[in-house]
Amino acid sequence: GENVEQHPSTLSVQEGDSAVIKCTYSDSASNYFPWYKQELGKRPQLIIDIRSNVGEKKDQRIAVTLNKTAKHFSLHITETQPEDSAVYFCAASRGIYNQGGKLIFGQGTELSVKP
Amino acid sequence: KAGVTQTPRYLIKTRGQQVTLSCSPISGHRSVSWYQQTPGQGLQFLFEYFSETQRNKGNFPGRFSGRQFSNSRSEMNVSTLELGDSALYLCASSLGGFYTEAFFGQGTRLTVV
Repeated sequence: GENVEQHPSTLSVQEGDSAVIKCTYSDSASNYFPWYKQELGKRPQLIIDIRSNVGEKKDQRIAVTLNKTAKHFSLHITETQPEDSAVYFCAASRGIYNQGGKLIFGQGTELSVKP
Repeated sequence: KAGVTQTPRYLIKTRGQQVTLSCSPISGHRSVSWYQQTPGQGLQFLFEYFSETQRNKGNFPGRFSGRQFSNSRSEMNVSTLELGDSALYLCASSLGGFYTEAFFGQGTRLTVV
């Protein structure tokens, strides 16, 4: 069945360091990979996404890479700040018209950035 | 524009009871998806409704059901509640087309005692 594995489950870094979160998906038909950030007590919010025809995408301090052959994608946060502390979820879906509303999520990574 | 709104925010129910949760999507969004969030299982997909029809379904028992109205508002119903149903229930709305961003509501925290 469809499954997304996410590692690590917890990650602690010093302010200014980089953080990397990795995900592996099982459904070879997946072609849309969003990342969500959920702060304590708040709703998940999209921070970046990537489609299968792109290998890398950057947005300021955040980047995502995708290796379709290995069914693997990663989130990279550079120059981390205390406000980056949150739980991060990767997800995968078939971005076709009638499947886009079904996101399969990883288990989440709790990132802690220490000042 | 207004975001996704879920009501109520908190619910306490007794085992065996049933419960109905509501989700009002962003105006113009036709797709509403429901997720169960628990500390041990993360975010799990329940089902998706698009234009009043269930378009996708996750691996949850038949006690979990939903519907969508003509104004795209959606309700989720859980019958014969079990202790294990205690969770944060999140809905997400999107345009429902290709690669569309899902916007989440703040969730309904259900506690079954």
